[in-house]
Amino acid sequence: DAKTTQPTSMDCAEGRAANLPCNHSTISGNEYVYWYRQIHSQGPQYIIHGLKNNETNEMASLIITEDRKSSTLILPHATLRDTAVYYCIVRGIYNQGGKLIFGQGTELSVKP
Amino acid sequence: GAVVSQHPSRVICKSGTSVKIECRSLDFQATTMFWYRQFPKQSLMLMATSNEGSKATYEQGVEKDKFLINHASLTLSTLTVTSAHPEDSSFYICSARDYSEGKREKLFFGSGTQLSVL
Repeated sequence: DAKTTQPTSMDCAEGRAANLPCNHSTISGNEYVYWYRQIHSQGPQYIIHGLKNNETNEMASLIITEDRKSSTLILPHATLRDTAVYYCIVRGIYNQGGKLIFGQGTELSVKP
Repeated sequence: GAVVSQHPSRVICKSGTSVKIECRSLDFQATTMFWYRQFPKQSLMLMATSNEGSKATYEQGVEKDKFLINHASLTLSTLTVTSAHPEDSSFYICSARDYSEGKREKLFFGSGTQLSVL
């Protein structure tokens, strides 16, 4: 699975959009981009995933560049409860049994 | 969404004892479950892949005799930390894949177990 690069930490004001970037320049054609987040002392929570097209759900939007070498997770109106570590992960659907390999992620702090 | 239940959420034990952690998929059958370990301020590290009805597959550097995994049913996998020592103190997290239509791309996680070995 391709490696991802994320900023170590980011701050965001409450109520504003949080834009979390992820670089995955070695991604291959059959690899998806997944985003999970982990609130302190809890298990990771699925947020969203995509292949080529931009995706949106009730939690967030995922914008993938045309060359698929990078993506951005957007939390449209960040709240204090969105403070967490956000992980961007690239993997093929049926690759290696479906396991996810976590990088270091981005620690997002939402401030009042 | 799919629910993965992990028990206990916290356990404190004496050095040398064994601890069992349970991971259950509540509303789906999970032929494959994954076990992770996380130390403070670090990311999740995959320990092993648990396969129903067969032996677990361990990641490089993880002692299979130390971390016993049993996946005897489609809804339950257990991780037993044998002869626990203080360096085994960590946050252990399980996850399971729901292969039902529309969900097979997602991996669902338990809430984790904080193990403290005295």
